[in-house]
Amino acid sequence: SQQGEEDPQALSIQEGENATMNCSYKTSINNLQWYRQNSGRGLVHLILIRSNEREKHSGRLRVTLDTSKKSSSLLITASRAADTASYFCATEDRGSTLGRLYFGRGTQLTVWP
Amino acid sequence: KAGVTQTPRYLIKTRGQQVTLSCSPISGHRSVSWYQQTPGQGLQFLFEYFSETQRNKGNFPGRFSGRQFSNSRSEMNVSTLELGDSALYLCASRKSGPGGANVLTFGAGSRLTVL
Repeated sequence: SQQGEEDPQALSIQEGENATMNCSYKTSINNLQWYRQNSGRGLVHLILIRSNEREKHSGRLRVTLDTSKKSSSLLITASRAADTASYFCATEDRGSTLGRLYFGRGTQLTVWP
Repeated sequence: KAGVTQTPRYLIKTRGQQVTLSCSPISGHRSVSWYQQTPGQGLQFLFEYFSETQRNKGNFPGRFSGRQFSNSRSEMNVSTLELGDSALYLCASRKSGPGGANVLTFGAGSRLTVL
């Protein structure tokens, strides 16, 4: 399977703490994206990092990418109860023009007030 | 602008029946893709359409089919439903054509329960 794998599967923290989620994948990629899903709803795109980038920031989000280890991490700083959701990494195969993404199984983040 | 609209949001069918799900992409988005989400398998790619042509297909049996209309709206059909087809079916659209950045905008999904 080309699916990525997130780690941990579940993460429970207090408001104000930082949350770190990791993603490993198997193939060479064009880019890696992170999406968020609130319970039973659609996914929302958070951030995209290209294969030639090592780190990217967007608001309270920080994403790193290590293509040699085929891994990425998503850091959410100063978490809020509203950040409670499932977070998925998704990869696009290198050279692909067909628009298919491979999603991991997700990390369920719970932020307690 | 309106987001990706999926209908119906919830539906219950029995084994052997068929179902058609509809997706209206964001205005101006020509690419529509479908994913199946289950607790056991996670998000699995079904197919992608661009300009009414299926460009990519995932590893699903022929019971799963789809199409796209000239206004970019898409439908997917599942025939001879099985219990294992119970899932959240997600439609996503993107603006870029082939080779463009593949950032997807998802609909809220259609929750299918097969009894």
